[in-house]
Amino acid sequence: DQQVKQNSPSLSVQEGRISILNCDYTNSMFDYFLWYKKYPAEGPTFLISISSIKDKNEDGRFTVFLNKSAKHLSLHIVPSQPGDSAVYFCAAAPGTYKYIFGTGTRLKVLA
Amino acid sequence: DAGVIQSPRHEVTEMGQEVTLRCKPISGHDYLFWYRQTMMRGLELLIYFNNNVPIDDSGMPEDRFSAKMPNASFSTLKIQPSEPRDSAVYFCASSFGLAGGGETQYFGPGTRLLVL
Repeated sequence: DQQVKQNSPSLSVQEGRISILNCDYTNSMFDYFLWYKKYPAEGPTFLISISSIKDKNEDGRFTVFLNKSAKHLSLHIVPSQPGDSAVYFCAAAPGTYKYIFGTGTRLKVLA
Repeated sequence: DAGVIQSPRHEVTEMGQEVTLRCKPISGHDYLFWYRQTMMRGLELLIYFNNNVPIDDSGMPEDRFSAKMPNASFSTLKIQPSEPRDSAVYFCASSFGLAGGGETQYFGPGTRLLVL
């Protein structure tokens, strides 16, 4: 049973526009959430995180929103750039424990 | 630091053969994780170590899989005997501490395994 779900396997966005990647989770014990980015033939790299005590965290063009009541997480990229084309994984952790990853969303930013 | 190092980067083997994947974590990191990535299930945690001791191996799919960490700078994941359904990309990651404390995991480049 997938505790962390990324229901959109792929997304295409025009350069300069906003990319919104979504993630849903089922376990209310999760209290720390992360987004990782993965390029082909490379390992995932950390992008941004958010603790459950917050509902928003921003880092440059990247913002993560957390809606605890809906058990929903989203990553906004504004403006999107061709170099953002990658697979994005969301992950959740129940306290000081292991990450549970989603299946990933492949983002393609069109020039 | 060179980051997490994995070898080999690619492995092609025949069903029934033993496969050994290797990982060198980032120096000073006390946690080491083995993940498997498939299209259907995404990134799955197989096992993780803390200070060279296996802590949680509940993700190891079956007894054909085993992992060791003989010292702080080396770990292996072994599959014996290998089967075609083991074909996947296997990642090793390390961190200083666990999630929740703000510690992120650093991933190696992965080993792409194909079992024929």
